[in-house]
Amino acid sequence: AAGVIQSPRHLIKEKRETATLKCYPIPRHDTVYWYQQGPGQDPQFLISFYEKMQSDKGSIPDRFSAQQFSDYHSELNMSSLELGDSALYFCASSLAGGNYEQYFGPGTRLTVT
Amino acid sequence: AQSVTQPDIHITVSEGASLELRCNYSYGATPYLFWYVQSPGQGLQLLLKYFSGDTLVQGIKGFEAEFKRSQSSFNLRKPSVHWSDAAEYFCAVVLLSGNTPLVFGKGTRLSVIA
Repeated sequence: AAGVIQSPRHLIKEKRETATLKCYPIPRHDTVYWYQQGPGQDPQFLISFYEKMQSDKGSIPDRFSAQQFSDYHSELNMSSLELGDSALYFCASSLAGGNYEQYFGPGTRLTVT
Repeated sequence: AQSVTQPDIHITVSEGASLELRCNYSYGATPYLFWYVQSPGQGLQLLLKYFSGDTLVQGIKGFEAEFKRSQSSFNLRKPSVHWSDAAEYFCAVVLLSGNTPLVFGKGTRLSVIA
């Protein structure tokens, strides 16, 4: 079965640079969530989209933005990167009106040096 | 605000021994409850979930969990642990209203010794 795809899997950036993370949800899933997991931490919700509209917003810094495109894939744009942004970034997808299960991608490990 | 508490940060069990990981939630109504497992550097895999009905739910890899409304708990159990079960386990909840984000507990790290 198709799973959530995230790219790239690993990314190394320097401080003050920008980064773009991509997420391709499971086919027919209409909702995408972004989570950030720092070292030794639990995943923290950043932002979500339903049918290409932002549906919920969590602890996402103003330096970050995201959107969901017409093909339902999503991109997380991160600017003015800081050392503290180094983390594992997960994307999850679900089907609205379904059983609320969120299926997670393998994550993108971002390292800021 | 809803919250999830996993009281045990780290648990060590012997291979073949039974396991119980604790999870308590704080929410006015019954949320949807999940257990996820994460191997080092890997993604989150859903083990099992509870929405309604039978309070004892079966999951993958031989895991089960029991929802106890009176105790606001959703503890994860396995009768016989295998070395490959060593991982981080997260309990999570989501609001009944639907497409809302998961709220995770802090996680419990499971170590398995021979």
